[in-house]
Parts: sequence; C-alpha cells; structure tokens
Amino acid sequence: GEDVEQSLFLSVREGDSSVINCTYTDSSSTYLYWYKQEPGAGLQLLTYIFSNMDMKQDQRLTVLLNKKDKHLSLRIADTQTGDSAIYFCAEKNSGGGADGLTFGKGTHLIIQP
Amino acid sequence: KAGVTQTPRYLIKTRGQQVTLSCSPISGHRSVSWYQQTPGQGLQFLFEYFSETQRNKGNFPGRFSGRQFSNSRSEMNVSTLELGDSALYLCASSGSGFVETQYFGPGTRLLVL
Repeated sequence: GEDVEQSLFLSVREGDSSVINCTYTDSSSTYLYWYKQEPGAGLQLLTYIFSNMDMKQDQRLTVLLNKKDKHLSLRIADTQTGDSAIYFCAEKNSGGGADGLTFGKGTHLIIQP
Repeated sequence: KAGVTQTPRYLIKTRGQQVTLSCSPISGHRSVSWYQQTPGQGLQFLFEYFSETQRNKGNFPGRFSGRQFSNSRSEMNVSTLELGDSALYLCASSGSGFVETQYFGPGTRLLVL
C-alpha cells in the first residue's frame, strides 16, 4: 500500500535553513504537498508540486522532488521562531482519489534561539 | 473568501453515545473530505463527498458515516462511541479549479470518556 515516511524531529538555529525530508512509495503519485500544523490548529497548505516537476520555489520555501528515488524535501530559508510547527508531507495518486491524501506522521520543527 | 469552518470546535462525549460534526467548505467548493488525526495513527482519511455523493471511503468501520447537503456543507456522524474515537477530526474542501488541493478547517477535537 501507500506509505509516506518522515523524520519525527528536526532542530535548527534561528536564521539557519531547515530541510525537512520525506519519502513515499506510491509511484503513481501525481501531487505532493507540504502542510503546516501549529499547536491546536488545523492544517495549513504551504505548497505543492506536480510529479512532473523537479523544483518549486515560493518565497522562503523551496520544494525539491526526486521522482526516481521517491524523495521530497522542503527547505525553509532563514528559519524564524514562527516556523515552529509540525510539517506534514502528503501525496495523492492518480487512481481516482480512492484514498484521499496519504500523510506522513509529521516532522516537529524545533527552533533554537 | 472565508475558510473552511467546523463546528463544534470541542466536544466531550461518553462511550456508547453518538456524535455529529459539521463542516462548511470554502464557498464554491464542492468536495469535502474528512480525516481523523490521533497521536498514534497520525492523519487517516475517512471519506470524501462530492455533489452530495460519497465518492471515496477510507478504512474505517461502519460506525463512521457522513453526508453532504446541496449547499456542499457536510456532516460526519460517529455512532456507539469508543474511547479510541478520541481524536481531532479535520474537514478539508477542494474546488473545481485545482481539485487536488485540499484546504483544511481548524478541526473538531472529540474526547470520549
């Protein structure tokens, strides 16, 4: 079945870049997403990438996709305390959306002053 | 444009009771999906409704059901509540433009005692 894996924690210093990694197994994935969840809140869509793209940049966010290795990463430049949250990688396959989005367990991003 | 709204935000029930959660999608969005989020299992897809029809369903028991109204608002019902149903229930809507992008509401936190 489909599976999405992420590291549970990432700690970075304020001002540094954060790189959150994700691997997925479903080769038919057509859309890949990054969501952010702050304490007590729902999921905020950060960015997405089509499977036929290698990279997408949106202000401080850069998404890299290696389709051959089924590896997705999210780079946050100049990490700030407000970036402290849980980041979820999610994928959706092209099979008619039978199972909705498949999410990873989330990466807790911890910002050190 | 107003975002996805969910009511109630918090709910406490006891085992054996039933509960109904409500979700109002972004104006113009016709697809509503429901997810359950727990610390142990993470985010899991429950079901998706589109134009008042259940289009997709996750792997949950029949105690979990839903419906969608003509104005695209959706309700989710859980009957015969169990302790393990304690979770954050998230609703997401998507529109006809880029139908694969789901926007999430703040969630309903359900505690079953």
